[in-house]
Amino acid sequence: QKEVEQNSGPLSVPEGAIASLNCTYSDRVSQSFFWYRQYSGKSPELIMSIYSNGDKEDGRFTAQLNKASQYVSLLIRDSQPSDSATYLCAVTRTSGSRLTFGEGTQLTVNP
Amino acid sequence: DTAVSQTPKYLVTQMGNDKSIKCEQNLGHDTMYWYKQDSKKFLKIMFSYNNKELIINETVPNRFSPKSPDKAHLNLHINSLELGDSAVYFCASRETETQYFGPGTRLLVL
Repeated sequence: QKEVEQNSGPLSVPEGAIASLNCTYSDRVSQSFFWYRQYSGKSPELIMSIYSNGDKEDGRFTAQLNKASQYVSLLIRDSQPSDSATYLCAVTRTSGSRLTFGEGTQLTVNP
Repeated sequence: DTAVSQTPKYLVTQMGNDKSIKCEQNLGHDTMYWYKQDSKKFLKIMFSYNNKELIINETVPNRFSPKSPDKAHLNLHINSLELGDSAVYFCASRETETQYFGPGTRLLVL
């Protein structure tokens, strides 16, 4: 079983729609959860972090965490073509420990 | 004012050669990493250093040897390059929970 699994892509949504990206993790003691965005040919950049159950909103992005289900998601509202990228879910076991990444979900937002 | 920089950006070389990739961060962070991203975009940690000391060494062939001359630099030397080493190598540094990635070095072994 992979440590971090993401829903297989690619995911395609029309401009203005909500894009939903999902991630599950296998290590129950994981404490910190991150979403990175990676444009083609570029390096990953952190867009959201979440540490406790529930929702965390930042502009058009909402991260959701459910530790009981070992599930974390990212919702992108009012999707824009500029959101087209690969989204990487990452998890750490304890504060400051190594990041374990999922394989990424490629998102395309069609104008 | 580049935060995390890597050189070279591209590296094309023959099998069996030895090559080095350099990384520097000017953020004052204590912890630095090397990651390998394969053609399927899977990003996997290779090494981590904290203040020049090795703290994470994943299952990586011993042809890969990191070196940290000071906490702002983390270099990666690769001996006897193989076809399977072709990938993008990212350096990163960490402040609290946030990791900052360098631009990547695209290595192609022929």
